[in-house]
Amino acid sequence: GENVEQHPSTLSVQEGDSAVIKCTYSDSASNYFPWYKQELGKRPQLIIDIRSNVGEKKDQRIAVTLNKTAKHFSLHITETQPEDSAVYFCAGGGINTDKLIFGTGTRLQVFP
Amino acid sequence: DAGVIQSPRHEVTEMGQEVTLRCKPISGHDYLFWYRQTMMRGLELLIYFNNNVPIDDSGMPEDRFSAKMPNASFSTLKIQPSEPRDSAVYFCASSFGRQRGPKNIQYFGAGTRLSVL
Repeated sequence: GENVEQHPSTLSVQEGDSAVIKCTYSDSASNYFPWYKQELGKRPQLIIDIRSNVGEKKDQRIAVTLNKTAKHFSLHITETQPEDSAVYFCAGGGINTDKLIFGTGTRLQVFP
Repeated sequence: DAGVIQSPRHEVTEMGQEVTLRCKPISGHDYLFWYRQTMMRGLELLIYFNNNVPIDDSGMPEDRFSAKMPNASFSTLKIQPSEPRDSAVYFCASSFGRQRGPKNIQYFGAGTRLSVL
C-alpha cells in the first residue's frame, strides 16, 4: 500500500548549520509533497510544498527538492536558528487520492 | 476565517466514559480529516469526509470509535467506551476539493488532548 518513509527520526545541529530531512514514497501516482512543521504543543502547519511538475522550490531559508525517478524528496533548511527546532513531517498525496500519507516525523533540535 | 476550530482543547475522563470531540472546518472546504497523534504511532489518519460523506474509515481503530458529519460546518468523533490507550492528541484538518482550490493542502485545528484515566 501507500507508504512514506522519513529519515532521520532525530537531528541535532548547531545554529547556523544546514539541516536536511529525507523522505521516500511508494505510490508512483503521488504528485503532491508538502512539509509540515509542528512546534511543541502546537498544530502541524504547512511550511512548504512541491508538486511533481517541478524539481525544486525555495522559500527564503527553506527549500524542497523532488526526484520522481527515485521517488524521494528532501527538505533543506539553511542557516538554522533555534526557532527552527520542531518536529517536521513530510507527506505524499496523489491524483488518485484525496488524503495525505504522512511520514513518521523528524525531531530537529538547533543548539545556540 | 478563524481556521479549523476544535473543542474541547483538553479532555480528561475516566475509563468507560463516552468522549465526544468536535470540529468546525474552514468555511468552503469540502474535505474533513480526523487524525490521532501519539509518540509511538505518529500521526494516524482515522477517517475522512468529502461533502459530509465518509469516504475512508479504514484507520478507525475499532468499533468504539465513530465519526459523523451532519453538515458542512460540523463534525464529531466519538469514543464509547473510552480506554486508557485512547489517550492521545486528536487533530481535525480540512481542505478544498479538486475543483475549488489547491488540492490536498490541509489546515489543522489546534487539537484536543485526551487523557483517559
